[in-house]
Amino acid sequence: QKEVEQNSGPLSVPEGAIASLNCTYSDRGSQSFFWYRQYSGKSPELIMFIYSNGDKEDGRFTAQLNKASQYVSLLIRDSQPSDSATYLCAVIKGNTPLVFGKGTRLSVIA
Amino acid sequence: DAMVIQNPRYQVTQFGKPVTLSCSQTLNHNVMYWYQQKSSQAPKLLFHYYDKDFNNEADTPDNFQSRRPNTSFCFLDIRSPGLGDAAMYLCATSRVGQLLTDTQYFGPGTRLTVL
Repeated sequence: QKEVEQNSGPLSVPEGAIASLNCTYSDRGSQSFFWYRQYSGKSPELIMFIYSNGDKEDGRFTAQLNKASQYVSLLIRDSQPSDSATYLCAVIKGNTPLVFGKGTRLSVIA
Repeated sequence: DAMVIQNPRYQVTQFGKPVTLSCSQTLNHNVMYWYQQKSSQAPKLLFHYYDKDFNNEADTPDNFQSRRPNTSFCFLDIRSPGLGDAAMYLCATSRVGQLLTDTQYFGPGTRLTVL
């Protein structure tokens, strides 16, 4: 079982809709969870992180964490064509480096 | 602005010709990482420095070496690049010790082409 799993997509949503990106992880000891956005040919940029169960909102983005189910998600409200990118889920435990999923490619259609 | 800088942004080398990629940071972070990312794949950690302590991933080829002469700079040396080493190389930094976050910040990357 891979440590961090994401559906590779592409996930296509119409402009203005809610995009829902999902991620599961295998290590129950994982402590912090990150979402990065990566445009084609560019480096990952941090969107947000979460470490407590529940929801965390930042603008149009909401991260949701359920440690019992080992599941973390990212919701993007009012999706825009500029949100079209690959979204990487990453997980950390203690002082070890991030473990990345393969990413989900999101396409927002105008 | 505090940031992570990588040079060069694009590097072309010949098969077997050594190449060095550089990374510098003004964030004063104690950890620096090197990742390799190929098309449509997740970033793959090659190694990281926790302060001066070097940590090599088990599956990182011996062809890849790294140096960290001071807190601000870190170098990736590829001793004999092969065609399979063509990729984006990403440098990242973090301040380990920040409770439960350890957020990594990435530089813009260096795209390596091997001819």
